[in-house]
Amino acid sequence: GEDVEQSLFLSVREGDSSVINCTYTDSSSTYLYWYKQEPGAGLQLLTYIFSNMDMKQDQRLTVLLNKKDKHLSLRIADTQTGDSAIYFCAERAPGGGADGLTFGKGTHLIIQP
Amino acid sequence: ETGVTQTPRHLVMGMTNKKSLKCEQHLGHNAMYWYKQSAKKPLELMFVYNFKEQTENNSVPSRFSPECPNSSHLFLHLHTLQPEDSALYLCASSQQGAEDQPQHFGDGTRLSIL
Repeated sequence: GEDVEQSLFLSVREGDSSVINCTYTDSSSTYLYWYKQEPGAGLQLLTYIFSNMDMKQDQRLTVLLNKKDKHLSLRIADTQTGDSAIYFCAERAPGGGADGLTFGKGTHLIIQP
Repeated sequence: ETGVTQTPRHLVMGMTNKKSLKCEQHLGHNAMYWYKQSAKKPLELMFVYNFKEQTENNSVPSRFSPECPNSSHLFLHLHTLQPEDSALYLCASSQQGAEDQPQHFGDGTRLSIL
């Protein structure tokens, strides 16, 4: 079955890098996503990576994928107070149709001044 | 602005009421989704619509009834709900057939059942 796991909390100092980790069990996943949820809001798509890639960089965000270990990480460089939110990892199984995503429970990123 | 608009943002209803949640997407997508977000649980996929046809019903109780009149609009009709149905209901859309198909979410409807 599909299962996505994340740590519930991560605390970092402002200006440091944040690394949020995720593990998944479905080795046939095609795309893996990172979403951000701020209080009172929905999920904002941050970035995603295709399963045949190892790394993707987008400004302050770096996604690393270790397909062998089924491990995904999101690194946020120079973490700011505005990065405080819940970060969700999600995977999409292969298939030609519209597929729902399988989400982790989310990691609360807490920024210390 | 995500391109996916949900109304109302907040809804309080009794267990015997009937209400509907509305979702509209302005992204030209052809697939729409309902998710339920409860405290301390992962997001749960409820329904998937692809080109207005329901392609997935994830064992959702019949007190939740979806409707997709066209590819831009999605409704969730609610009837005789239970307290455990209190949650944030999120709508999403995507372009089925596109290589990466990221889903774009609305801000959700916070539902409270009295």
